[in-house]
Amino acid sequence: GESVGLHLPTLSVQEGDNSIINCAYSNSASDYFIWYKQESGKGPQFIIDIRSNMDKRQGQRVTVLLNKTVKHLSLQIAATQPGDSAVYFCAENNYGQNFVFGPGTRLSVLP
Amino acid sequence: EAQVTQNPRYLITVTGKKLTVTCSQNMNHEYMSWYRQDPGLGLRQIYYSMNVEVTDKGDVPEGYKVSRKEKRNFPLILESPSPNQTSLYFCASSFSGAGNSPLHFGNGTRLTVT
Repeated sequence: GESVGLHLPTLSVQEGDNSIINCAYSNSASDYFIWYKQESGKGPQFIIDIRSNMDKRQGQRVTVLLNKTVKHLSLQIAATQPGDSAVYFCAENNYGQNFVFGPGTRLSVLP
Repeated sequence: EAQVTQNPRYLITVTGKKLTVTCSQNMNHEYMSWYRQDPGLGLRQIYYSMNVEVTDKGDVPEGYKVSRKEKRNFPLILESPSPNQTSLYFCASSFSGAGNSPLHFGNGTRLTVT
């Protein structure tokens, strides 16, 4: 069945460097994608979303890239800070009523 | 403050003892949903509701019930909890359905069934 996956389960970056978190999706019909951040003891927090009619969307220090040809989604975090340490999920909208979530990537920011 | 509120945050119970986890949102969202989060399995949808009195099964509905009598509340009911329902549960809401706007999540309820 359709699923959303992440290439790297853990990612460690130096403070101040840029982070790139990747996600592969399998449903070519999906048209809405979201990145979430989950800190310990909290629920997932919305970071940024993108629709399939876009290739790129920027927020504050974050950029999401969508490559529909290879069904790939990435989240770029500029100048990574200690507060960015968390688990990051991508989510793919599946026929309108449900999101399919990946297992998550843990981002660790090294001092 | 716009938020999704779940209660309780932690719950330990025994097999077969009925329980309810409450969820309330103050954003006037039409869509609400329950998820469970298990290591290695990610977030899986249990039930969702498009509006008052409209509910439908998600991917893992067995052993759960929900109701949507009011727009703001969406309780999750476990009539006869079993140990395989030990998990971290999240309630979420969105303005107009999963495909149109992002989900806003509560802070979770950690349930242990012994």
